Amino acid sequence: KNEVEQSPQNLTAQEGEFITINCSYSVGISALHWLQQHPGGGIVSLFMLSSGKKKHGRLIATINIQEKHSSLHITASHPRDSAVYICAVGNQAGTALIFGKGTTLSVSS
Amino acid sequence: DAGVIQSPRHEVTEMGQEVTLRCKPISGHNSLFWYRQTMMRGLELLIYFNNNVPIDDSGMPEDRFSAKMPNASFSTLKIQPSEPRDSAVYFCASSPTGIYNEQFFGPGTRLTVL
Repeated sequence: KNEVEQSPQNLTAQEGEFITINCSYSVGISALHWLQQHPGGGIVSLFMLSSGKKKHGRLIATINIQEKHSSLHITASHPRDSAVYICAVGNQAGTALIFGKGTTLSVSS
Repeated sequence: DAGVIQSPRHEVTEMGQEVTLRCKPISGHNSLFWYRQTMMRGLELLIYFNNNVPIDDSGMPEDRFSAKMPNASFSTLKIQPSEPRDSAVYFCASSPTGIYNEQFFGPGTRLTVL
C-alpha cells in the first residue's frame, strides 16, 4: 500500500462543476503540499498546509491531521483547470517528501 | 526574478555517456530539490539541499547518480554512466527554507538515454 493515496485517479467534469480531489496518507507528517502539473509539463505549487484550511481564488485546500486526510476543492471549474493534481507529504523529520500518483482532471466546456 | 532555471531543457544521449543537468535556484532561497518524474513511478524526490548541504539523498537511485551544490546559486545532477532506464524528466525546485515552504519548480530537463 502506498503511503500517499489519491482519489480519484481520473476525473472528468463539466465547466462550472464543483471538484473535490482527496489525499490520504499513512505516515506522520510535518506538512502537506498540493501541486498542479499542466499538460505542458510545468509544475506549480498550489498550497502548503500543516493544519486547517487555505483558500486561493477558486481553490480551497483542507487538512485533517487526526484523520490523515486532505482535500483539494475547485469551485466553478473551468477548462483551464485541466491538469494533474499531485499531493505530497513531508515526513515528520522534515527531510523527505512522499508523493501521491496524481489525479488527472479534465474539465470540458 | 527569472524563477528556477534549468539546463539543458532536452538531452539525448547514448547509454554509457555521462550526463550533467544544471540548476540555478531563485536568489535568496536556501533549499534546493532534485526530482525525477516517469510514467511508471510518478514524481520522486532524489536529493534535497539546505544551505548547500545535502539533507536527504535517500532517493538517489544508485551510485551512478551524484549531486553537488558548490554555492547557493548553482547545483548539478550527474549520471555516470547513463542507462536507458534513466530516461525521465528531471525537475529542480527551490524554496525559502526546507519542505515547510512553498516550492518553486523549474521547467524540467527531459532526458532520453538511447
